[in-house]
Amino acid sequence: SQQGEEDPQALSIQEGENATMNCSYKTSINNLQWYRQNSGRGLVHLILIRSNEREKHSGRLRVTLDTSKKSSSLLITASRAADTASYFCATVASGANSKLTFGKGITLSVRP
Amino acid sequence: GAVVSQHPSRVICKSGTSVKIECRSLDFQATTMFWYRQFPKKSLMLMATSNEGSKATYEQGVEKDKFLINHASLTLSTLTVTSAHPEDSSFYICSALRALRIEGEQFFGPGTRLTVL
Repeated sequence: SQQGEEDPQALSIQEGENATMNCSYKTSINNLQWYRQNSGRGLVHLILIRSNEREKHSGRLRVTLDTSKKSSSLLITASRAADTASYFCATVASGANSKLTFGKGITLSVRP
Repeated sequence: GAVVSQHPSRVICKSGTSVKIECRSLDFQATTMFWYRQFPKKSLMLMATSNEGSKATYEQGVEKDKFLINHASLTLSTLTVTSAHPEDSSFYICSALRALRIEGEQFFGPGTRLTVL
């Protein structure tokens, strides 16, 4: 069953703008991860945030986690055309021993 | 980095035949590998968790006799789709966890597109 639910489902922005994607989940988690997938390819891990963390940065990526609201956001700053991809949040439930449950994904299009 | 390969990347087969997909961790040992299935423009659905040297754990609704998983070494897991039918056509992706890492990120293979005619 799917745990994470991202919104919006599709996002189209201009190069240089920031892209914000949100994810909500249902159960208690150990950590939440964001992945990127280019069309027809495998997934690339972007960032992991633990349940006791509230914010994390990695390059142009900023992830927040609000466990009280069971939600997370991924911000990509100064977007580039190469950021065009599908983005998924995935959760590891507490005690789930690394098993990931993926959301439906967000399709991001960055127009040059 | 941690690289995971899958072979083949694309396979077309006739209905009723069996297809084997390999998942290899190239530069690290993986005690645990996962197999996912992804339909077009959809999310990944976990099919099974594969642990080296033991039987795979299948998710609810996944037929273990149809999707045979073998994890014979710390760097190789295989998924065999037995007696494939057109409804088995999908994108199959594996991922691997580094040995002794519990909560860490999974490293994904590039996927295998299976088309059953």
